Amino acid sequence: AQSVSQHNHHVILSEAASLELGCNYSYGGTVNLFWYVQYPGQHLQLLLKYFSGDPLVKGIKGFEAEFIKSKFSFNLRKPSVQWSDTAEYFCAGTLSGSARQLTFGSGTQLTVLP
Amino acid sequence: DTEVTQTPKHLVMGMTNKKSLKCEQHMGHRAMYWYKQKAKKPPELMFVYSYEKLSINESVPSRFSPECPNSSLLNLHLHALQPEDSALYLCASSQATGLWTEAFFGQGTRLTVV
Repeated sequence: AQSVSQHNHHVILSEAASLELGCNYSYGGTVNLFWYVQYPGQHLQLLLKYFSGDPLVKGIKGFEAEFIKSKFSFNLRKPSVQWSDTAEYFCAGTLSGSARQLTFGSGTQLTVLP
Repeated sequence: DTEVTQTPKHLVMGMTNKKSLKCEQHMGHRAMYWYKQKAKKPPELMFVYSYEKLSINESVPSRFSPECPNSSLLNLHLHALQPEDSALYLCASSQATGLWTEAFFGQGTRLTVV
């Protein structure tokens, strides 16, 4: 089945540390990939998206992600995290198979210690 | 205006009550979605409307009844819910379904069934 997976369930970092959150998808066809962030008590916000073209995508709040087709990955990175980045991060994808609907990974809770 | 507005923000209802959740967008999007999100879990797709017609029902129990009165509005009618239906209900919209489109999410309605 087509799926999106996140293997880091909870990541704890100190402020100024670098961040990389893993995301893998299981489909070899056309994919659109997204990273969403959900701050405590708030709605899902789009951080960045990849449709096609340059595999290095820059998003809001200093986040970026790299689409590596050979590894079926779309990892999220930030060179220096802040306490305010504490949130749940969801990778999601729309895959060109029969489903063609947005599928979410299980999420990664990021806690940044001041 | 890139907002998806959901009302109410919080709802407490008894198992014999009938209530409705409302969602509105004015971005001209022709696809609208209902998702259910339990705590610390990713959103799960419930329903998809495309051009005001129900296109996907992810085997949702009949106690949840969606309605799309026009291209800007999406309702979710609730009747005879169970305590396990307590969750955050998210509405989303996109220009169309499938690939090459991103979803915008509302803040959600936090539902508690007592």
